Amino acid sequence: GESVGLHLPTLSVQEGDNSIINCAYSNSASDYFIWYKQESGKGPQFIIDIRSNMDKRQGQRVTVLLNKTVKHLSLQIAATQPGDSAVYFCAETRAQGGKLIFGQGTELSVKP
Amino acid sequence: SQTIHQWPATLVQPVGSPLSLECTVEGTSNPNLYWYRQAAGRGLQLLFYSVGIGQISSEVPQNLSASRPQDRQFILSSKKLLLSDSGFYLCAWSSGTGESGYTFGSGTRLTVV
Repeated sequence: GESVGLHLPTLSVQEGDNSIINCAYSNSASDYFIWYKQESGKGPQFIIDIRSNMDKRQGQRVTVLLNKTVKHLSLQIAATQPGDSAVYFCAETRAQGGKLIFGQGTELSVKP
Repeated sequence: SQTIHQWPATLVQPVGSPLSLECTVEGTSNPNLYWYRQAAGRGLQLLFYSVGIGQISSEVPQNLSASRPQDRQFILSSKKLLLSDSGFYLCAWSSGTGESGYTFGSGTRLTVV
């Protein structure tokens, strides 16, 4: 569900390392999930999505894993770069085109 | 291609003044439209969504209202702003058929003083 009242957790990684950002979603009926990247002062940018009939999807340097049994999503970023520093949000919806509900978000900080 | 526009980018308003934020989408028809608010350092809270002209669903009780006078126009309003209305307001759209992901505008930073 929405965790909009909580401060963001942070993840600090070294440049070149892999990053894993986790998200627990609330609605077992959700069937479409999106990861967004948000830089300071900007709107969220789409990174990658996954439907509930899949458990893994890969993009360029990013992989999303979905575990419906425990209602868990993760975003893996390979060879993390300073430009990856941002806040990352997962979002869920019960039907594409329906209400998109955001998770808490994680602030990723990449050290050069 | 589809684009979404939000304005203004920043706004400073006194307590008790009215508010009108506008969002328009181009390059698509009958989109689903959304207003979100984000407090500093926090997540995105869904305020309103609309599946068609004149159809508005409110997600949380608050001092704000939304209207959709045209298919691709979504307006967020208030008659009298409160200090607690300060935040980053984001408009988004999605295809009603679910063929497209959700795309966000660049946001409006509202400071109520």
